[in-house]
Amino acid sequence: DAKTTQPNSMESNEEEPVHLPCNHSTISGTDYIHWYRQLPSQGPEYVIHGLTSNVNNRMASLAIAEDRKSSTLILHRATLRDAAVYYCILRDEGTNAGKSTFGDGTTLTVKP
Amino acid sequence: DAGVIQSPRHEVTEMGQEVTLRCKPISGHNSLFWYRQTMMRGLELLIYFNNNVPIDDSGMPEDRFSAKMPNASFSTLKIQPSEPRDSAVYFCASSRAGVTGELFFGEGSRLTVL
Repeated sequence: DAKTTQPNSMESNEEEPVHLPCNHSTISGTDYIHWYRQLPSQGPEYVIHGLTSNVNNRMASLAIAEDRKSSTLILHRATLRDAAVYYCILRDEGTNAGKSTFGDGTTLTVKP
Repeated sequence: DAGVIQSPRHEVTEMGQEVTLRCKPISGHNSLFWYRQTMMRGLELLIYFNNNVPIDDSGMPEDRFSAKMPNASFSTLKIQPSEPRDSAVYFCASSRAGVTGELFFGEGSRLTVL
């Protein structure tokens, strides 16, 4: 299975942008890049996903490197409610269709 | 839609007892996933189903764990016999077929085995 690597933790100030990196150097052509976040005592929730092109939605933006070996989740203005563990995962459309394995994620702390 | 529904939300049991966790996926979703989360091991994929068929159960820890999906609207994860090291939060998630769909997670079942 393709693996992802993320920093263990990051800090941000409230109302500032946050760039959360993810490395996935062994990504295959059939892998989609998904991001989820987990608030304390809750299940993970979907943030955004993409294949090759950058993506924007109401929650965040996803920037994907041209070689697809890395990606960055961008929170444009961090709020205290964005403090969570952020997971970058690869979802395989190929042989293991749909298999979704989570790594350790990045714990984001937002300071007021 | 009510989202993914898991039961029970909390369960405390004694070592050796059978535990059954239940999951109702979102209507129309074809894929269902069972995860286990602990501080030490993070979020582990145990097993997943596509169209009610188990696709990959390589994450199931051992023979004490079993999962079934008798129909599109119900799945169970059973532990028999339970052990203290099985204490964890168990999450169920569902998605539409294919990987472009997002995963929707339930609120989890917190299991404590004494």
